[in-house]
Amino acid sequence: EVHLVESGGGLVQPGGSLRLSCAASGFIVSSNYINWVRQAPGKGLEWVSVIWPGGSIHYADSVKGRFTISRDNSKNTLYLQMNRLRAEDTAVYYCARAPEDGYAILRYWGQGTLVTVSS
Amino acid sequence: DIQMTQSPSTVSASVGDRVTFTCRASQSISNWLAWYQQKPDKAPKLLIYKASTLETGVPARFSGSGSGTEFTLSVSSLQPDDFATYFCQQYSAYPLTFGGGTKVEIK
Repeated sequence: EVHLVESGGGLVQPGGSLRLSCAASGFIVSSNYINWVRQAPGKGLEWVSVIWPGGSIHYADSVKGRFTISRDNSKNTLYLQMNRLRAEDTAVYYCARAPEDGYAILRYWGQGTLVTVSS
Repeated sequence: DIQMTQSPSTVSASVGDRVTFTCRASQSISNWLAWYQQKPDKAPKLLIYKASTLETGVPARFSGSGSGTEFTLSVSSLQPDDFATYFCQQYSAYPLTFGGGTKVEIK
């Protein structure tokens, strides 16, 4: 069974950094398309980043140059390194996996982890 | 970037009602469209992909249609479990983009 568990959220000051983790079970992270999607409090969904099985990476313009997606195959875990955080990055961050065919349908989701950027 | 616009933003309906809401893309996305249901403090749940293909396990009262730039999600007979917010998402191109959501409220 596919299972995704995010962790690493918390309160951070503007300009600070945080690293989110997404621990996967039931499948191999390095063989799948896995995304980060966020949702600001009371708002809609915003796609953040994706890493492909071959290592290709895409980012939303709003985080490009500040966020880095990566994976640790030995731990079967996905990461999102977030630097130079801003108040507008405050959101619940979800990792979400696409089906094996690569179409960017977000079939499997974690429970999310809350990031609050505030002084 | 492809902009996704959903309407209405809120629908008030009763159990047993048929409801339909719309998602429009700023350019043609063929049928590369998914619909998600989200309940408060929960992760979204995939309902429909490729505009009209029902995800495994999703009740048949949900249906999707459309192609190009206009899409609809319908619920044939609202059940208590269906009161939630629904989002559309295009996957024709990166960045993936979502509509702003339609909240289905109890009338």
